[in-house]
This record gives sequence, structure tokens and C-alpha cells, in this order.
Amino acid sequence: GAGVSQSPRYKVAKRGQDVALRCDPISGHVSLFWYQQALGQGPEFLTYFQNEAQLDKSGLPSDRFFAERPEGSVSTLKIQRTQQEDSAVYLCASSLVGGREETQYFGPGTRLLVL
Amino acid sequence: QKEVEQNSGPLSVPEGAIASLNCTYSDRGSQSFFWYRQYSGKSPELIMSIYSNGDKEDGRFTAQLNKASQYVSLLIRDSQPSDSATYLCAVIRDYKLSFGAGTTVTVRA
Repeated sequence: GAGVSQSPRYKVAKRGQDVALRCDPISGHVSLFWYQQALGQGPEFLTYFQNEAQLDKSGLPSDRFFAERPEGSVSTLKIQRTQQEDSAVYLCASSLVGGREETQYFGPGTRLLVL
Repeated sequence: QKEVEQNSGPLSVPEGAIASLNCTYSDRGSQSFFWYRQYSGKSPELIMSIYSNGDKEDGRFTAQLNKASQYVSLLIRDSQPSDSATYLCAVIRDYKLSFGAGTTVTVRA
């Protein structure tokens, strides 16, 4: 694929429901990032993978949030027992190796609404 | 205090004018600096990156960096209606990007 893809694009969940958001990075990109963007705000870092290793999960808001990338390509962000404050756009980004001068390419995002 | 602060906007400029966007950051360990453009309902798209003090020009865009003042700016010359978007300032330390809240620019035809 030409870019980062994410699915679903939109998700409506009832409070308390579990959700899983998928990210397909650019082929060959070692580094993968998840961000959360609330309405009217910039993206906030959630977690970082290099291949299958989760090197930083300091931005995950609570232990209800869990991310994995078991084979070093596709990643899934899982939110358990969703709350209304989890409503946001979840963005996935990838870069070649994760260096400080590298471009992070963003996917279209998953817009999550928790009712 | 947020790590990255941007002028709050919104900023409205007439077509053909210069739009000036400002950003300050608090982490002196920040290593690289970026401007992303985000159209409504879309994902951020990188438009400029700057790594050392001074100016960097790319077409109608000029980024300026002053590490001593912890200040980054973006100038958009000859603004076009297609430049209407939210502009996000971002800084990176190692691999972690930190974003400002964004400045919304509207170019009036």
C-alpha cells in the first residue's frame, strides 16, 4: 500500500464496551506510533513500537489501553471498558527507523465515539 | 504549561497576504522541529522540517528556528484559499513527537 491505513474509520461504542483499532503501516517501516487527538487539540503520544518491541508506552492514559504489534507490521490498539473520555481520533503513524529527523507518516485515523 | 504552545488563532488573512504562525517549546532537549498541516477531518501532513538555527525556505513556506529563544515560526507567503487549514507545530526528542494545539488559518478570497 502507498500509505498508512487504519480501520475502522469510525467506531461508535457503548460505554463499557471493548474496542480494537487496527493500523497497517507503510511496508518496510520499522517504527510505529499511536497518538490520540481530542477535538481542538494536537495529537498526544500514546505508544511507540520498533518492530514488535513496544519501547515506550508512557502515554497510554490508563491500564484499559493496550497495544500490540506481534509480527512487527500490523498493530492493534485495544481499549477495554470504554469511557466517554476515550472519545477522540486515534492516529497511527509510521517511520522508517524512528530517527529524530525522520518524517512520521500519519494514517487517516479512527474516530471513536463512546456513548 | 504545555510542552508546545502556539498562538491561539484563528488567523484570517486575505488571499495573497503573508500568514505568520508562531510556536514556543519548553524542552531544551528538543532536537528537531516540524510544521504539519491538518485539513478538517483529515490526518496531519508534514509541510516543513527544520533542524538547525536560522531560516529554511520551501516554495511559499519559510520556517525559522531560534533554539536560544525556544521559538519556531512558519511564514506562508502569497496565501491561497487552499492553505486554509490548522497548522500544528511539533517538536521531537529522540522518537517522541510533541504537538501544539494548532492554529487555524483561514484565507479569504
